[in-house]
Amino acid sequence: EIVLTQSPATLSLSPGERATLSCRASQTVYTYLTWYQQKPGQAPRLLIYDASKRATGIPDRFTGSGSGTDFSLTISSLEPEDSAIYYCRQRSDWTAITFGQGTRLDIK
Amino acid sequence: QVQLVQSGPEMKKPGASLKVSCKASGYSFTTYGISWVRQAPGQGLEWMGWINTYNDNTKYSRKLQDRVTMTTDTSTNTVYMELQSLTSDDTAVYYCTATDHFDYWGQGSLVTVSS
Repeated sequence: EIVLTQSPATLSLSPGERATLSCRASQTVYTYLTWYQQKPGQAPRLLIYDASKRATGIPDRFTGSGSGTDFSLTISSLEPEDSAIYYCRQRSDWTAITFGQGTRLDIK
Repeated sequence: QVQLVQSGPEMKKPGASLKVSCKASGYSFTTYGISWVRQAPGQGLEWMGWINTYNDNTKYSRKLQDRVTMTTDTSTNTVYMELQSLTSDDTAVYYCTATDHFDYWGQGSLVTVSS
């Protein structure tokens, strides 16, 4: 099973700042890496798929990058509504899809 | 628009079975596979498995493969997830989600397992 490790566990930033979230895979997932945003009481929301492709309706302040084992999600110019938990997910191994443990982003 | 509407919350006793439904609308049902993802209270996301709605092929997580069954009813555009031999560790919100990228999600079904 491919293990995804996200860092940091928690990130506290101010509006207007830039956030960089990391996701590292235990073996290559090529570019089969997806990012989701989840707010309390809500289902996850697709942000980025195939490592760098923005999903429909996602603001361009969200940028995904990386390939192989190292990936990042960058949120430029944070807004208060960006407070959420962010998860990465790999589908390189379709028989064992796995998620990272999440990064909590607090905007204060 | 694509909608996935799940069945309501459930309370179950340990050892019982659970069946959650996910009714799809707004697209051709067999276009997208459906995965199930669960989330224990305060925890992260866990993929449970996937069903191909076109041919009913399934893939289950190794952790749950002995207890989970996913089925479809094409007459009602509904996918079902059945989980057997419940324990308190199965207390979670259960989500269905569609497409390879998990573009669309149901609203979640809270399942509580308690004696």
